Amino acid sequence: KQEVTQIPAALSVPEGENLVLNCSFTDSAIYNLQWFRQDPGKGLTSLLLIQSSQREQTSGRLNASLDKSSGRSTLYIAASQPGDSATYLCAVRGTGNQFYFGTGTSLTVIP
Amino acid sequence: DAGITQSPRHKVTETGTPVTLRCHQTENHRYMYWYRQDPGHGLRLIHYSYGVKDTDKGEVSDGYSVSRSKTEDFLLTLESATSSQTSVYFCAISGNIDEQYFGPGTRLTVT
Repeated sequence: KQEVTQIPAALSVPEGENLVLNCSFTDSAIYNLQWFRQDPGKGLTSLLLIQSSQREQTSGRLNASLDKSSGRSTLYIAASQPGDSATYLCAVRGTGNQFYFGTGTSLTVIP
Repeated sequence: DAGITQSPRHKVTETGTPVTLRCHQTENHRYMYWYRQDPGHGLRLIHYSYGVKDTDKGEVSDGYSVSRSKTEDFLLTLESATSSQTSVYFCAISGNIDEQYFGPGTRLTVT
């Protein structure tokens, strides 16, 4: 069974700092990996999708990388802002068409 | 935003009663998913569908059933609700190996 881990569970940084969120998975046989943002009491918003054949994807201040062989992905957020405060979740899509989620990293950006 | 709606958005019910949650999409996506989200557990897959009348179990399927009679609708039924099924339920959709998009969620309380 695929296990997805996100460390740290919580992170607090001052505004303007660059930061990295980590996601690791145990089975490298994946179709893709997706990063989400979830605000309190809300649904999940897709941030970036990386296909298994890709190494990274970028959207604005966000950059996600994927290293399938080591079972790791990182989400890099540049020049963090208070509006970036949320929980960030990663999910991997396995060969059985199921998605497996990590428990998330709760990010607080302090003005 | 992807066209996904969930109904009801909030529900309080008593132990032992049946409950049906509805997910409706306007994207004509093949795959539909039901998850529950609980503190400390992240999102866990209950059931998913890969086409009309084609469904499969996820990791926490006991006590739940699903039906998909039309591409756009995916129903989740709690056959006899228990307090352990108090949770936030999310529906999601995806194409073949595409991104997963989430609905706004249903908060269910079983008293």
